[in-house]
Amino acid sequence: NAGVTQTPKFQVLKTGQSMTLQCAQDMNHEYMSWYRQDPGMGLRLIHYSVGAGITDQGEVPNGYNVSRSTTEDFPLRLLSAAPSQTSVYFCASSYSARANSGYTFGSGTRLTVV
Amino acid sequence: AQSVTQLGSHVSVSEGALVLLRCNYSSSVPPYLFWYVQYPNQGLQLLLKYTTGATLVKGINGFEAEFKKSETSFHLTKPSAHMSDAAEYFCAVSAGFQKLVFGTGTRLLVSP
Repeated sequence: NAGVTQTPKFQVLKTGQSMTLQCAQDMNHEYMSWYRQDPGMGLRLIHYSVGAGITDQGEVPNGYNVSRSTTEDFPLRLLSAAPSQTSVYFCASSYSARANSGYTFGSGTRLTVV
Repeated sequence: AQSVTQLGSHVSVSEGALVLLRCNYSSSVPPYLFWYVQYPNQGLQLLLKYTTGATLVKGINGFEAEFKKSETSFHLTKPSAHMSDAAEYFCAVSAGFQKLVFGTGTRLLVSP
């Protein structure tokens, strides 16, 4: 049971480049989400999904796109990378959209935009 | 909307001393409350959670937290710190189908 798997673990991008951060879970969880973690700011929600085909914006969605074509996968796309998107990105999943179930987190992707 | 305030970005204790990490929340409806721990270069791991019922919640690694509605607090404690407890700790709040909102984190430093 792998849990939540994120790839890549590290990435350096040039300003203006695009890329996709991958997230996959094998727990048949309904709910998946992306957070970014910045020093002194905790974790901020970027986008989330309550099931295949359903996505919505979180607190800081600008510059990011998501889709959820399967239950297992929830990729995060950076359309045109900016230095302000330098951060650590975490994918999290839960068996229910009800937040009392607690989240399982991936190990993160550390992204640097130069 | 919910929010969380963690008092102190850094807390230092000696090995064997009491650990107390403070968390105050704001919620217009009965909250769900969580503590997560993050070890260096890792993701977040659920320590414990309060949803309903008993207000004293026990978690992994000897940690516990008490939900105090009158004080809107959910402080995390451990009677005796261990070197392996050094990590960053996040308090989080949610309610109903609302998304989880995290505090800014408290880094726990444990000295020998």
